[in-house]
Amino acid sequence: DAGVIQSPRHEVTEMGQEVTLRCKPISGHNSLFWYRQTMMRGLELLIYFNNNVPIDDSGMPEDRFSAKMPNASFSTLKIQPSEPRDSAVYFCASSLGDFTDTQYFGPGTRLTVL
Amino acid sequence: AQSVTQPDIHITVSEGASLELRCNYSYGATPYLFWYVQSPGQGLQLLLKYFSGDTLVQGIKGFEAEFKRSQSSFNLRKPSVHWSDAAEYFCAVGSRGSQGNLIFGKGTKLSVKP
Repeated sequence: DAGVIQSPRHEVTEMGQEVTLRCKPISGHNSLFWYRQTMMRGLELLIYFNNNVPIDDSGMPEDRFSAKMPNASFSTLKIQPSEPRDSAVYFCASSLGDFTDTQYFGPGTRLTVL
Repeated sequence: AQSVTQPDIHITVSEGASLELRCNYSYGATPYLFWYVQSPGQGLQLLLKYFSGDTLVQGIKGFEAEFKRSQSSFNLRKPSVHWSDAAEYFCAVGSRGSQGNLIFGKGTKLSVKP
C-alpha cells in the first residue's frame, strides 16, 4: 500500500488567498484525521471523520477552516481566507476505524502564508 | 484538564547508550497510551501502544514502555541507541470516550552523538 498520500507537500500563498489541502487515506481505512503541527502548540487534532462523516470538529480553529470527505478515498481541508498564523504543517492520518487502531500519518503539507 | 507532559524538550545521548524518554499524563478516564516517532520531514509513526494487561509494552525498533498508574507515567526506553534513532518522539493519550481524539505531548527531540 502507498500509505496516506497528501498534496501538495509544500504550499506558499499570500494572506487572503484560499488554500486547499488534499488527503488520500489508506484503502480500507474508515477513520480519517486532520492535524496541525506548530512549534508553539505542538500537534493538534482539527477534525476526525468516521465512515466519511465528521465526528469531532471541535479542534477546527474558526470558520475560515472547513473540511470535507466526499468519499472514502478523499478528503480536503480548506482555509479561506488564509492568514499568516495559519502557517504550520498539516498532517492527515487514517486508521481502520476504532480509536484504538493505529493511526497512519501522511508526510504532511507545509503551509506558509505570507 | 486532560494533558500530556513530556518534560524534556531535547535529549542528547551517545550511540550505544541507554535511553529513557519521560511522559506524564493527566486524564480522567482510563487512559490508552501511545508513543509515536517523527523523523525530519516525515509524518508520525507508531512505536507502541498500551491499552491494558502487562504494563511493560514492547514496540518496534527495539523500544519498550512501562505504564505506571501510580505515577501517571508512560516512559519510553531503549537499552542501546542507534544513530538512526535520532528523531522527535511524541507521547499521546486517548480513551474510549474520546472518539479517536488523541492528546499529544509537545515532543522530545533526541540527538545521538557518535
